[in-house]
Amino acid sequence: ETGVTQTPRHLVMGMTNKKSLKCEQHLGHNAMYWYKQSAKKPLELMFVYSLEERVENNSVPSRFSPECPNSSHLFLHLHTLQPEDSALYLCASSQETISYEQYFGPGTRLTVT
Amino acid sequence: EDKVVQSPLSLVVHEGDTVTLNCSYEVTNFRSLLWYKQEKKAPTFLFMLTSSGIEKKSGRLSSILDKKELFSILNITATQTGDSAVYLCAVCFYPQIKSGTASKLTFGTGTRLQVTL
Repeated sequence: ETGVTQTPRHLVMGMTNKKSLKCEQHLGHNAMYWYKQSAKKPLELMFVYSLEERVENNSVPSRFSPECPNSSHLFLHLHTLQPEDSALYLCASSQETISYEQYFGPGTRLTVT
Repeated sequence: EDKVVQSPLSLVVHEGDTVTLNCSYEVTNFRSLLWYKQEKKAPTFLFMLTSSGIEKKSGRLSSILDKKELFSILNITATQTGDSAVYLCAVCFYPQIKSGTASKLTFGTGTRLQVTL
């Protein structure tokens, strides 16, 4: 499989559930990102990992917890989410960090009930 | 406050028309400006611009950056229905000049382009 993949593609969870989103990149890139895309809002960068080290955390609530076990995998652990967290969560990767072209995964559509 | 503003918010054109999409920005310590096309879910990369006045071209799409006036335009000539999408502009910058400071990336809200037959 090539490019950036994300699983699951759709997720419905209750406010008390714990779930994880997974992202995998097959491009040999050094940096990975989590974005949140809500309706009628700009794409929001949540976390940046460079060489498995977190370099950016844009004031994201602690109910979102990222994990980067290696340069190819990125997780977003979710717990006690709120309905306003419902959104499309996109993962991306790039050869170098942030200022370079990023390749996006298909996203996970998350609905919090 | 750092911001990226795209205009128009939406646009409907006929196939064959030429369109110009705008992106203006106000950021500290600019690094680069990127254009993406988002059709359904995953944005796809179009251009990265770092220098003023140098046009980047890919087929019917072209883009140019003006670092003095702080804007970029994305041109699409001879539009086709397959060009219908949301076009996103993003600006990478350093929020402060300090050694080791990470750069930030801010996206505009996008321009929704619809090309009709």
